[in-house]
Amino acid sequence: AQSVAQPEDQVNVAEGNPLTVKCTYSVSGNPYLFWYVQYPNRGLQFLLKYITGDNLVKGSYGFEAEFNKSQTSFHLKKPSALVSDSALYFCAVRDDNYGQNFVFGPGTRLSVLP
Amino acid sequence: EAGVTQFPSHSVIEKGQTVTLRCDPISGHDNLYWYRRVMGKEIKFLLHFVKESKQDESGMPNNRFLAERTGGTYSTLKVQPAELEDSGVYFCASSQDRGLVSTGELFFGEGSRLTVL
Repeated sequence: AQSVAQPEDQVNVAEGNPLTVKCTYSVSGNPYLFWYVQYPNRGLQFLLKYITGDNLVKGSYGFEAEFNKSQTSFHLKKPSALVSDSALYFCAVRDDNYGQNFVFGPGTRLSVLP
Repeated sequence: EAGVTQFPSHSVIEKGQTVTLRCDPISGHDNLYWYRRVMGKEIKFLLHFVKESKQDESGMPNNRFLAERTGGTYSTLKVQPAELEDSGVYFCASSQDRGLVSTGELFFGEGSRLTVL
C-alpha cells in the first residue's frame, strides 16, 4: 500500500533563510511525487512534481524538491524564505501500480518569521 | 479559464440531517475526485470518477455517502443522515489525464467545510 509521511507538524524559519519541508514515501511500484500548498481559506495549489528524469525538480514560487530513491524521500526546499511562503504544505504520491489515486501526507505548517 | 468550484463553502447542519455538496470541475476534465480532511488530519481519498463512471470508490466511508456525476460534468456528494464524525473539509479535484496511470497533477477547489452539530 502507498503511504506518505511528513515528520514535522510545524516548521519555523526566519525570512531570508533556507527552508526544508520533509517528505518520505512508501510505494510498491514507481513513485510519482507531488507537492501542494494550501493558503488560508483556499484550495490546494500545485507546486511541483517528479515523474521521471532529473532528480532535482524546480517548481512555482522558487521552490524545488529532490527525489532520493535510496532514502525514499522528496524534500521540499527553497534557498531564501519569504513571509508570504507561510502556509500548509502537503506531499503526495501516486504509485504506478495503483492507477490514479493520490495519497497525501498529513501536512506541514510552515511559518516564516520576519 | 475557470477553476474547480465547490458549493457551499461552509455548511452547518444538525446530526441526522442531509447535506449535498456540489463540485464543478474544470471544463474538459474527465477525471473528478473527492477527498476529505477531518480534524486537521491527512487528506483522505473518497472516490474517483472518469466522466460519469465511478472508477474507484474504495475510500467512501459507508453507505451514508452517495456521489453522483450525471452527464459527466458536475458532481454531487450527499451525506444522509449526517453524523458528528462527518465534519471536515471536503475537497473536489479534477484532472485531464486519460489512461489507466496518470502523471498529471490535480486541480483543487477551495473545499466545502461541513460542520455537523
